[in-house]
Amino acid sequence: KQEVTQIPAALSVPEGENLVLNCSFTDSAIYNLQWFRQDPGKGLTSLLLIQSSQREQTSGRLNASLDKSSGRSTLYIAASQPGDSATYLCAVRGGSEKLVFGKGTKLTVNP
Amino acid sequence: EAEVAQSPRYKITEKSQAVAFWCDPISGHATLYWYRQILGQGPELLVQFQDESVVDDSQLPKDRFSAERLKGVDSTLKIQPAELGDSAMYLCASSSGTGQGYTFGSGTRLTVV
Repeated sequence: KQEVTQIPAALSVPEGENLVLNCSFTDSAIYNLQWFRQDPGKGLTSLLLIQSSQREQTSGRLNASLDKSSGRSTLYIAASQPGDSATYLCAVRGGSEKLVFGKGTKLTVNP
Repeated sequence: EAEVAQSPRYKITEKSQAVAFWCDPISGHATLYWYRQILGQGPELLVQFQDESVVDDSQLPKDRFSAERLKGVDSTLKIQPAELGDSAMYLCASSSGTGQGYTFGSGTRLTVV
């Protein structure tokens, strides 16, 4: 059974800092990995999708990497802003087509 | 940009009442998913449809929950009777196929009192 773990559970940083969120998964047989952002009481917004054959994806200040063999992904946020404050969820998609989620990292960026 | 539509956004219901949620996926997306997210947790799959067929409902509490996607387009998730422990965010998502990303709707926040 696939299990996804996200560390840390919560993170508080000053504005402008670069930061890394971590995601690990137990079964490396995945099709892809997706990072989402969730604001309080809202749905999920897709940030980056990495296929199993890819090593990384970039969108603006966000960069996600994938090391499938070791079961790890990182989300790098450059020059953080207060508007980046949200919960970030990592999810992997395996052969069953369903997404398995971690519990998320709650990020607070302080002005 | 295409969106997954969900309604209602919020629902408050009394214990033992029936409640229903609706989802309209992105046009052309054959795969539709219902997830439940308890506060502070990641979403967990309740049911997965491929067109009008249920692919996975192993985590759906079938004694009180039901889901349908009659024409392979929009879908309804029903709870009857609702229990206090059903209070959560109910998220619908769709995908165009293997290797593609998921698109989620805004969710329905259910509070059972």
